[in-house]
Amino acid sequence: DTAVSQTPKYLVTQMGNDKSIKCEQNLGHDTMYWYKQDSKKFLKIMFSYNNKELIINETVPNRFSPKSPDKAHLNLHINSLELGDSAVYFCASSHLRSISGNTIYFGEGSWLTVV
Amino acid sequence: KNEVEQSPQNLTAQEGEFITINCSYSVGISALHWLQQHPGGGIVSLFMLSSGKKKHGRLIATINIQEKHSSLHITASHPRDSAVYICAVLKTSGSRLTFGEGTQLTVNP
Repeated sequence: DTAVSQTPKYLVTQMGNDKSIKCEQNLGHDTMYWYKQDSKKFLKIMFSYNNKELIINETVPNRFSPKSPDKAHLNLHINSLELGDSAVYFCASSHLRSISGNTIYFGEGSWLTVV
Repeated sequence: KNEVEQSPQNLTAQEGEFITINCSYSVGISALHWLQQHPGGGIVSLFMLSSGKKKHGRLIATINIQEKHSSLHITASHPRDSAVYICAVLKTSGSRLTFGEGTQLTVNP
């Protein structure tokens, strides 16, 4: 079973559209994250939820809205997509209080291309 | 200047060579992660270190907290080790990881 699964893996869409990326983890972790990896392969955190509560909200456009219906799911909705949103988006999960003692698990990534 | 710096950015080796990738950081940390990203694939956590040294198969990771430096070593490298290796630190001040820019490793047969 995949520990952290994201869908879709590939997404090509036109500017101005609204799209969502879904993430689910079956590890029983209490914290989930969304990271963005740009064309230079640099990873940056976007959001983090702990037990469905937002705990990290980096400076990202308001067009990006995370939603966590339960602690096993963290979805990312993007409104009015722009060319600069093209990137790979990674979901990850861990135990918050143990992140210094336990590892973090990443999904396979979602390749978003805005045309 | 990034809080986490990796070197080299790119590394090409011949199969069988011993490889070292370095990571230096400028902040207080509670842990350091080494991650591996294969082309077109996801990210896998290789090691989590807070002190000393860890070994898994042909991979060895070390950390020197006083010098704020960590190294990832690969012994008897193989073409399947070709990937991007990313160092990430967990700052003592928070719960988020800060990433280095990654080292692209290519091992030729």
